[in-house]
Amino acid sequence: GAVVSQHPSRVICKSGTSVKIECRSLDFQATTMFWYRQFPKQSLMLMATSNEGSKATYEQGVEKDKFLINHASLTLSTLTVTSAHPEDSSFYICSARGAGSLVEQYFGPGTRLTVT
Amino acid sequence: AQTVTQSQPEMSVQEAETVTLSCTYDTSESDYYLFWYKQPPSRQMILVIRQEAYKQQNATENRFSVNFQKAAKSFSLKISDSQLGDAAMYFCAYRSNRGSTLGRLYFGRGTQLTVWP
Repeated sequence: GAVVSQHPSRVICKSGTSVKIECRSLDFQATTMFWYRQFPKQSLMLMATSNEGSKATYEQGVEKDKFLINHASLTLSTLTVTSAHPEDSSFYICSARGAGSLVEQYFGPGTRLTVT
Repeated sequence: AQTVTQSQPEMSVQEAETVTLSCTYDTSESDYYLFWYKQPPSRQMILVIRQEAYKQQNATENRFSVNFQKAAKSFSLKISDSQLGDAAMYFCAYRSNRGSTLGRLYFGRGTQLTVWP
């Protein structure tokens, strides 16, 4: 199957700073990328959907000014957590899919964010 | 919005035995996919099996098979000859094939599977 990478795998930042998480599709063109947040022992919560070259569509309750998503190319999407707070500490997972309605969605390995 | 329900937060099985994980979903659509994903302690989401709604035949992948009951909106996962490596959180997911939610996955809350040696 196709490979999706995330960088960094773990990051610790101080409260009030911003942190950027990258999601890359390594061997296919990702027309759509999804960003999820997962708390311990819970399900994945979709934060936003981004299509290449377009603004991201955020789920209800997700602050778009706090979680900035950019999908500037067919292989890269970034999630920037701005002015991070301890409650933003979580596991963030991206997934990517190519064009076409029947195309599979591939998941990245996730990023553990800890805000101190 | 579509909802996916996994009513078993935890399940356990003896190694080499068979276990069935339950999943129900709610939708008014006729064209969709259903998935089972496995999330081991590494947290990497791994696709276990996929079922297309228009196919009546139940999907199988080696030791993994599903019981897809479209009218009942039920989609259970059977793991045969369970192995220690099957221990993980299992998520049932629904994906629409049409409209504005095309490609989006709706996940259940998950079932934590423990495999005893």
